[in-house]
Amino acid sequence: EVQLVESEGGLVQPGGSLRLSCAASGFTLSNYWMHWVRQAPGKGLVWVSFINYDGSTTNYADSVKGRFTISRDNAKNTLYLQMNSLRAEDTAVYYCVRGGALRSLDYWGQGTLVTVSS
Amino acid sequence: EIVLTQSPGTLSSSPGERATLSCRASQSVSSSYLAWYQQRPGQAPRLLIYGASSRATGIPDRFSGSGSETDFTLTISRLEPEDFAVYYCQQNTGSWTFGQGTKVEIK
Repeated sequence: EVQLVESEGGLVQPGGSLRLSCAASGFTLSNYWMHWVRQAPGKGLVWVSFINYDGSTTNYADSVKGRFTISRDNAKNTLYLQMNSLRAEDTAVYYCVRGGALRSLDYWGQGTLVTVSS
Repeated sequence: EIVLTQSPGTLSSSPGERATLSCRASQSVSSSYLAWYQQRPGQAPRLLIYGASSRATGIPDRFSGSGSETDFTLTISRLEPEDFAVYYCQQNTGSWTFGQGTKVEIK
């Protein structure tokens, strides 16, 4: 069974940093692209970042470019999202997502809430 | 960036009825890269349709997708109680973007 389990989020002050991790199981992580998608409270889904099989290619939404860094450790079956210079508008549930067929997003973690507030 | 606009914003229907949801793109999207998701309250999204018309694993055949270029449709042939949820379309031509969602609520 495919499982994606995000680390606990939490409350961070504006300008602060937080690193999310996502433990993958039930499949071989190195065979899949991976993504982070977020959802602000009561709002829709927003794609955040993508990383290819070996981490050699990444992409980011304009809203997080230069502040967030996606990475992966296939040996540890773990995906990461380093979030720096956090802003109030980064407050959201962050989902770890597996890339599926034809660039769909086929398996989602349960999500972790990150709150940026003083 | 391609913008996806979903309509209606809210669809009020009864169990057993047919539901038709629309997703319109601001420019042509490869139909290979158009997907639909369902999100029930308090849950993570679930992939329903990929490649515009292919059902994901375990998705009932009452869900179907169609369309091409800038106009795509998700159809639920007969609404079941568990289908009342929010639905999102998503595309990847360049980067990934989502529509704003359509809420299907019980009339």
